[in-house]
Amino acid sequence: NAGVTQTPKFQVLKTGQSMTLQCAQDMNHEYMSWYRQDPGMGLRLIHYSVGAGITDQGEVPNGYNVSRSTTEDFPLRLLSAAPSQTSVYFCASSYGQSNQPQHFGDGTRLSIL
Amino acid sequence: DQQVKQNSPSLSVQEGRISILNCDYTNSMFDYFLWYKKYPAEGPTFLISISSIKDKNEDGRFTVFLNKSAKHLSLHIVPSQPGDSAVYFCAARATYNTDKLIFGTGTRLQVFP
Repeated sequence: NAGVTQTPKFQVLKTGQSMTLQCAQDMNHEYMSWYRQDPGMGLRLIHYSVGAGITDQGEVPNGYNVSRSTTEDFPLRLLSAAPSQTSVYFCASSYGQSNQPQHFGDGTRLSIL
Repeated sequence: DQQVKQNSPSLSVQEGRISILNCDYTNSMFDYFLWYKKYPAEGPTFLISISSIKDKNEDGRFTVFLNKSAKHLSLHIVPSQPGDSAVYFCAARATYNTDKLIFGTGTRLQVFP
């Protein structure tokens, strides 16, 4: 029972580099989302998707892109990494809307030098 | 502008006693609230939720109370156990945007023997 799988678990990037954080779920959930967790800031929504082919912005979308070509996968792309994007990133999925309990992955710890 | 606030960054409680975690919100359009628990190096896990049409919801040792007039909710854990030691996040969603969850900053609970 994999649930929500995030890869990689850790990553160090240099400023200006690009990379993709992978997220996959095997529960056939329609709703998927990306959050970042920073000290004293809680979890902030970056982007979300209510189904394949549909994405929308959250609270802090700048510097990130997403796509949802399949129900299972929801990758998060950093276009040109900046030190301000150093954070722990969590992917989550659920049935339907945001009041349904979300299942979170174990996170990707990203450092931008 | 923090719409969901957890003003106590940490709480320490003796095993067997009651733990009370508090959450305040500013947006009167929030209609659904959730609590998540997070252990180190893991993603958050759903704990309990409450709709704005209720003022109390119970699940075993966990009870959430909602005071709409005060824009305040609280999570009670009775009795507290060492395994409850974690960071607790409250989250809320608004009626006009049911796809987005707004999280608080979290409260670290430590239950000691």
